[in-house]
Amino acid sequence: NAGVTQTPKFRVLKTGQSMTLLCAQDMNHEYMYWYRQDPGMGLRLIHYSVGEGTTAKGEVPDGYNVSRLKKQNFLLGLESAAPSQTSVYFCASSYPPGSASSYEQYFGPGTRLTVT
Amino acid sequence: SQKIEQNSEALNIQEGKTATLTCNYTNYSPAYLQWYRQDPGRGPVFLLLIRENEKEKRKERLKVTFDTTLKQSLFHITASQPADSATYLCALPKGYNAGNMLTFGGGTRLMVKP
Repeated sequence: NAGVTQTPKFRVLKTGQSMTLLCAQDMNHEYMYWYRQDPGMGLRLIHYSVGEGTTAKGEVPDGYNVSRLKKQNFLLGLESAAPSQTSVYFCASSYPPGSASSYEQYFGPGTRLTVT
Repeated sequence: SQKIEQNSEALNIQEGKTATLTCNYTNYSPAYLQWYRQDPGRGPVFLLLIRENEKEKRKERLKVTFDTTLKQSLFHITASQPADSATYLCALPKGYNAGNMLTFGGGTRLMVKP
C-alpha cells in the first residue's frame, strides 16, 4: 500500500496564480484533512472531509477551496495565491470515530509551496 | 480558547539517557491525547494514544503519561538513540467528543548525540 500520497512535492507560484494540490489514499479511509505547517505555528487544519461529496471548514479556510469527488482523493485549491500562503501543506486521512482504530491520522509527505 | 504548549527550544541529550518531553494544555477536557513523530521534510507519524482514564501507556522504549488534573502529558524515550532525533508533536481533539478533529502543538525538537 502506498498510504497517503501528495502531488506535487514542490511548487513555486507567482502572486495571483492558481493551483490544485492532489491527495490520494489507498486505505479506504472515510475522513481526509488538509493542514498547513508554518514555523512556530504547528499544524493548522484548513479543510476536512468526513466522506465522499462532503467538505467542511477547519480553522484557517480563507483563500482555499476543496473537493472530495471520490473517496480516495481530496483536492486543495488556491484560486489566487498570496505570499501568506507560502507554507508546507500536509494531507492526512483516518477512519471515522467509533471505528476499530485509535483515532490516528496518516499523513502524506507534504507539498512545499512558495508564493512570490 | 484552547491552547497546547510544547517547549519550542530543542532538547539535547546524550545517547542512552532518557528524554522527557512535555505537552501542556489549557481550556481543554480531552478524551484522549496523541503523540506524533516528524522527521525533517516528512509528514508526522503516529506513535501513541492515551485516553483520559489511562495514567500511563508504554510502547517499546516509549512511555506516555497523562495527568488530566495538571492538564499535562509527558513523553519519555528511554535508552535514547541518535535515530530518535526528530520533532515530536502532541495533539488533542478539538472538543471532548470531537472525533478525529485534532489540534496540534508546535512540537519539540529532540537531538540525541552519540
